[in-house]
Amino acid sequence: DVVLTQTPPTLSATIGQSVSISCRSSQSLLDSDGDTYLNWLLQRPGQSPQLLIYSVSNLESGVPNRFSGSGSETDFTLKISGVEAEDLGVYYCMQATHAPLTFGSGTKLEIK
Amino acid sequence: QVKLLQSGAELVKPGASVKLSCKTSGFTFSTSYMSWLKQVPGPSIEWIGWIYAGDGGTNYNQKFKGKATLTVDKSSSTAYMDLSSLTSEDAAVYFCARGGWELDYWGQGVMVTVSS
Repeated sequence: DVVLTQTPPTLSATIGQSVSISCRSSQSLLDSDGDTYLNWLLQRPGQSPQLLIYSVSNLESGVPNRFSGSGSETDFTLKISGVEAEDLGVYYCMQATHAPLTFGSGTKLEIK
Repeated sequence: QVKLLQSGAELVKPGASVKLSCKTSGFTFSTSYMSWLKQVPGPSIEWIGWIYAGDGGTNYNQKFKGKATLTVDKSSSTAYMDLSSLTSEDAAVYFCARGGWELDYWGQGVMVTVSS
Protein backbone atom coordinates (compact mmCIF):
# COMPACT_ATOMS: atom_id res chain seq x y z
CA ASP A 1 0.00 0.00 0.00
CA VAL A 2 1.08 3.59 -0.61
CA VAL A 3 2.32 5.28 2.54
CA LEU A 4 1.68 9.00 2.93
CA THR A 5 3.91 10.74 5.44
CA GLN A 6 2.66 14.07 6.74
CA THR A 7 4.80 16.65 8.46
CA PRO A 8 4.64 18.23 10.90
CA PRO A 9 2.34 16.09 13.04
CA THR A 10 1.33 19.16 15.00
CA LEU A 11 1.32 22.80 14.00
CA SER A 12 0.63 25.82 16.18
CA ALA A 13 -0.25 29.08 14.48
CA THR A 14 -1.53 32.54 15.31
CA ILE A 15 -4.46 34.09 13.51
CA GLY A 16 -3.27 35.54 10.22
CA GLN A 17 -0.12 33.45 10.04
CA SER A 18 0.56 31.43 6.91
CA VAL A 19 1.39 27.75 7.35
CA SER A 20 2.27 24.77 5.19
CA ILE A 21 1.76 21.04 5.60
CA SER A 22 3.83 18.51 3.70
CA CYS A 23 2.67 15.15 2.39
CA ARG A 24 5.21 12.74 0.93
CA SER A 25 4.21 9.58 -0.87
CA SER A 26 6.09 6.29 -1.00
CA GLN A 27 5.24 6.07 -4.70
CA SER A 28 4.56 8.52 -7.49
CA LEU A 29 0.90 9.54 -7.50
CA LEU A 30 0.87 10.42 -11.19
CA ASP A 31 -1.73 8.16 -12.74
CA SER A 32 -1.47 6.66 -16.21
CA ASP A 33 -4.40 8.89 -17.22
CA GLY A 34 -2.29 11.96 -16.52
CA ASP A 35 -4.11 13.01 -13.37
CA THR A 36 -2.69 12.95 -9.84
CA TYR A 37 -5.24 11.79 -7.30
CA LEU A 38 -4.03 13.56 -4.18
CA ASN A 39 -6.65 15.24 -2.02
CA TRP A 40 -6.57 17.27 1.19
CA LEU A 41 -9.25 17.06 3.85
CA LEU A 42 -9.90 18.83 7.14
CA GLN A 43 -11.56 17.21 10.12
CA ARG A 44 -12.68 19.79 12.65
CA PRO A 45 -13.16 18.63 16.25
CA GLY A 46 -16.21 16.41 16.55
CA GLN A 47 -17.00 16.61 12.84
CA SER A 48 -16.65 14.48 9.74
CA PRO A 49 -13.76 15.09 7.35
CA GLN A 50 -14.38 17.78 4.75
CA LEU A 51 -12.82 17.85 1.28
CA LEU A 52 -10.70 20.97 0.75
CA ILE A 53 -8.63 20.26 -2.35
CA TYR A 54 -8.74 17.52 -4.96
CA SER A 55 -6.26 16.45 -7.61
CA VAL A 56 -3.40 18.32 -5.94
CA SER A 57 -4.52 21.88 -6.49
CA ASN A 58 -8.23 22.14 -7.26
CA LEU A 59 -10.20 23.99 -4.62
CA GLU A 60 -13.45 22.28 -3.68
CA SER A 61 -16.55 24.42 -4.09
CA GLY A 62 -17.21 26.62 -1.08
CA VAL A 63 -13.71 26.29 0.35
CA PRO A 64 -12.01 29.64 1.05
CA ASN A 65 -9.23 30.57 -1.34
CA ARG A 66 -6.74 30.96 1.51
CA PHE A 67 -6.29 27.21 1.04
CA SER A 68 -4.05 26.12 -1.81
CA GLY A 69 -2.38 22.91 -2.85
CA SER A 70 0.69 22.19 -4.90
CA GLY A 71 3.16 19.47 -5.73
CA SER A 72 3.76 16.57 -8.03
CA GLU A 73 4.81 12.91 -8.14
CA THR A 74 5.67 12.23 -4.49
CA ASP A 75 5.83 15.63 -2.78
CA PHE A 76 2.78 17.71 -2.02
CA THR A 77 2.00 20.76 0.08
CA LEU A 78 -1.10 22.33 1.53
CA LYS A 79 -0.77 26.02 2.31
CA ILE A 80 -3.08 28.16 4.39
CA SER A 81 -2.46 31.83 3.66
CA GLY A 82 -3.70 33.59 6.74
CA VAL A 83 -4.98 31.11 9.30
CA GLU A 84 -8.40 31.78 10.77
CA ALA A 85 -9.86 30.38 13.99
CA GLU A 86 -12.18 28.04 12.09
CA ASP A 87 -9.19 26.32 10.48
CA LEU A 88 -8.29 24.37 13.60
CA GLY A 89 -8.52 20.61 13.30
CA VAL A 90 -6.68 17.71 11.72
CA TYR A 91 -5.59 17.90 8.10
CA TYR A 92 -5.22 14.73 6.06
CA CYS A 93 -3.76 14.06 2.67
CA MET A 94 -5.28 11.15 0.81
CA GLN A 95 -4.29 9.37 -2.39
CA ALA A 96 -6.52 7.50 -4.81
CA THR A 97 -4.05 6.77 -7.61
CA HIS A 98 -3.11 3.35 -6.27
CA ALA A 99 -5.40 0.80 -4.70
CA PRO A 100 -6.19 0.77 -1.88
CA LEU A 101 -6.94 4.42 -1.29
CA THR A 102 -4.80 5.55 1.68
CA PHE A 103 -4.59 8.49 4.06
CA GLY A 104 -1.76 10.25 5.79
CA SER A 105 -1.63 10.14 9.57
CA GLY A 106 -2.78 13.74 9.88
CA THR A 107 -1.47 17.14 10.94
CA LYS A 108 -3.17 18.77 13.88
CA LEU A 109 -3.45 22.53 13.56
CA GLU A 110 -3.79 24.40 16.81
CA ILE A 111 -4.51 28.09 17.16
CA LYS A 112 -2.29 29.98 19.60
CA GLN B 1 -28.40 20.14 -0.80
CA VAL B 2 -26.40 16.94 -0.52
CA LYS B 3 -27.02 15.03 2.71
CA LEU B 4 -25.72 11.71 3.99
CA LEU B 5 -27.48 10.60 7.17
CA GLN B 6 -26.03 7.60 8.95
CA SER B 7 -27.78 5.33 11.42
CA GLY B 8 -27.18 5.60 15.15
CA ALA B 9 -24.46 4.24 17.38
CA GLU B 10 -24.24 0.46 17.74
CA LEU B 11 -23.23 -1.72 20.67
CA VAL B 12 -22.62 -5.26 19.48
CA LYS B 13 -21.32 -8.45 21.04
CA PRO B 14 -18.10 -10.07 19.88
CA GLY B 15 -18.76 -12.47 17.04
CA ALA B 16 -21.98 -10.75 16.02
CA SER B 17 -22.70 -8.77 12.86
CA VAL B 18 -24.02 -5.28 12.33
CA LYS B 19 -25.56 -3.46 9.39
CA LEU B 20 -24.90 0.26 9.05
CA SER B 21 -26.96 2.51 6.82
CA CYS B 22 -26.32 5.78 5.00
CA LYS B 23 -29.44 7.49 3.66
CA THR B 24 -28.69 10.06 0.99
CA SER B 25 -30.51 12.95 -0.63
CA GLY B 26 -29.79 15.94 -2.82
CA PHE B 27 -28.00 14.14 -5.66
CA THR B 28 -28.53 11.37 -8.19
CA PHE B 29 -27.80 8.33 -6.09
CA SER B 30 -28.30 5.80 -8.87
CA THR B 31 -25.28 7.06 -10.82
CA SER B 32 -23.02 7.63 -7.84
CA TYR B 33 -20.24 5.80 -6.09
CA MET B 34 -20.47 5.49 -2.33
CA SER B 35 -17.45 4.80 -0.16
CA TRP B 36 -17.11 3.57 3.40
CA LEU B 37 -14.27 4.42 5.73
CA LYS B 38 -13.12 3.46 9.21
CA GLN B 39 -11.59 5.82 11.74
CA VAL B 40 -9.96 4.73 14.95
CA PRO B 41 -8.47 7.04 17.59
CA GLY B 42 -4.99 7.95 16.58
CA PRO B 43 -6.37 9.44 14.49
CA SER B 44 -6.26 7.19 11.49
CA ILE B 45 -8.59 6.73 8.53
CA GLU B 46 -8.83 3.56 6.48
CA TRP B 47 -10.70 3.10 3.25
CA ILE B 48 -12.94 0.02 3.32
CA GLY B 49 -14.27 0.12 -0.23
CA TRP B 50 -16.78 1.62 -2.60
CA ILE B 51 -19.95 0.52 -4.33
CA TYR B 52 -21.39 1.87 -7.56
CA ALA B 53 -25.09 2.36 -6.98
CA GLY B 54 -25.88 1.96 -10.69
CA ASP B 55 -25.08 -1.73 -10.88
CA GLY B 56 -23.94 -2.68 -7.37
CA GLY B 57 -20.37 -3.16 -8.51
CA THR B 58 -17.91 -3.08 -5.62
CA ASN B 59 -14.23 -2.52 -4.97
CA TYR B 60 -12.86 -3.50 -1.57
CA ASN B 61 -9.66 -2.84 0.27
CA GLN B 62 -8.14 -6.32 0.50
CA LYS B 63 -7.86 -5.84 4.25
CA PHE B 64 -11.64 -5.69 4.60
CA LYS B 65 -12.63 -8.50 2.25
CA GLY B 66 -14.66 -10.97 4.22
CA LYS B 67 -15.26 -8.40 6.95
CA ALA B 68 -17.36 -5.79 5.12
CA THR B 69 -20.12 -6.21 2.54
CA LEU B 70 -21.43 -3.16 0.72
CA THR B 71 -24.91 -2.97 -0.76
CA VAL B 72 -27.35 -0.30 -1.89
CA ASP B 73 -31.10 0.20 -2.15
CA LYS B 74 -31.69 2.52 -5.08
CA SER B 75 -35.37 2.88 -4.25
CA SER B 76 -34.50 4.65 -0.99
CA SER B 77 -31.12 6.09 -2.05
CA THR B 78 -29.50 4.28 0.83
CA ALA B 79 -26.12 2.61 1.07
CA TYR B 80 -25.44 -0.17 3.54
CA MET B 81 -22.41 -1.84 5.04
CA ASP B 82 -22.53 -5.19 6.79
CA LEU B 83 -19.71 -5.95 9.19
CA SER B 84 -19.39 -9.56 10.24
CA SER B 85 -17.71 -11.54 13.02
CA LEU B 86 -16.98 -8.42 15.01
CA THR B 87 -13.99 -8.23 17.33
CA SER B 88 -12.51 -5.47 19.45
CA GLU B 89 -10.46 -4.43 16.42
CA ASP B 90 -13.65 -3.48 14.61
CA ALA B 91 -14.57 -0.91 17.25
CA ALA B 92 -14.35 2.42 15.45
CA VAL B 93 -16.28 5.25 13.88
CA TYR B 94 -17.49 4.36 10.41
CA PHE B 95 -18.24 6.96 7.75
CA CYS B 96 -19.96 6.82 4.43
CA ALA B 97 -18.89 9.31 1.78
CA ARG B 98 -19.99 10.17 -1.72
CA GLY B 99 -17.63 9.22 -4.51
CA GLY B 100 -15.07 6.56 -5.25
CA TRP B 101 -12.12 8.88 -4.79
CA GLU B 102 -13.45 12.42 -4.51
CA LEU B 103 -15.12 11.85 -1.12
CA ASP B 104 -16.71 15.28 -1.40
CA TYR B 105 -19.54 14.72 1.09
CA TRP B 106 -19.42 12.64 4.26
CA GLY B 107 -21.97 11.26 6.65
CA GLN B 108 -21.79 12.22 10.28
CA GLY B 109 -20.24 8.91 11.24
CA VAL B 110 -21.47 6.09 13.44
CA MET B 111 -19.63 4.68 16.42
CA VAL B 112 -19.53 0.90 16.67
CA THR B 113 -18.63 -0.51 20.09
CA VAL B 114 -17.84 -4.20 20.46
CA SER B 115 -18.40 -5.50 23.94
CA SER B 116 -20.01 -8.43 25.70
